[in-house]
Amino acid sequence: DSGVTQTPKHLITATGQRVTLRCSPRSGDLSVYWYQQSLDQGLQFLIHYYNGEERAKGNILERFSAQQFPDLHSELNLSSLELGDSALYFCASSVGSGGLSTDTQYFGPGTRLTVL
Amino acid sequence: AQSVSQHNHHVILSEAASLELGCNYSYGGTVNLFWYVQYPGQHLQLLLKYFSGDPLVKGIKGFEAEFIKSKFSFNLRKPSVQWSDTAEYFCAVNTPGGYNKLIFGAGTRLAVHP
Repeated sequence: DSGVTQTPKHLITATGQRVTLRCSPRSGDLSVYWYQQSLDQGLQFLIHYYNGEERAKGNILERFSAQQFPDLHSELNLSSLELGDSALYFCASSVGSGGLSTDTQYFGPGTRLTVL
Repeated sequence: AQSVSQHNHHVILSEAASLELGCNYSYGGTVNLFWYVQYPGQHLQLLLKYFSGDPLVKGIKGFEAEFIKSKFSFNLRKPSVQWSDTAEYFCAVNTPGGYNKLIFGAGTRLAVHP
């Protein structure tokens, strides 16, 4: 157990819908990262938040957004869902701000999203 | 842009065989290197990491990796695998100034038969 929690574990929804994935970082960690794992794209970085502020963006679609709340949990919002959004979404956390790239990331169990 | 290549997509071994999984990255500057493992149905776990210093890094569960800068490689090794090592292995890299964003390889799926 990494100490990073994600809910829900599984989510099945229809095209065009909107869902929210939730992540709670390890105690003491201020950074949260979101990654998408799909069969065709592999594991890809989506976005990074540090202490409530967005720090870096990766291959995140405009239909996707995220935020980090004062209690440091983070939510990833996916809207106008398409079949291709079906994937495993991982959250990771680390202690620092991400500027020091020796900061190790610890991953949560993931949320498996299926879009029908 | 940085990229990571894992040449073996599927590896099948018998127990007690030796393992070497290849990882090459494309970036000319300083890099930090990681190997993560994903057991069936579980989350990614850090096996080992290299930031600087001794290029031979020892990790958990008897794994080690060697950083060879001239070859842009960070291969993972284990002298004797066990059935419980059946998992998917991911090599990843990040760079200073990259805001700790991890760039992952495609993964290598290892199956160990008793």
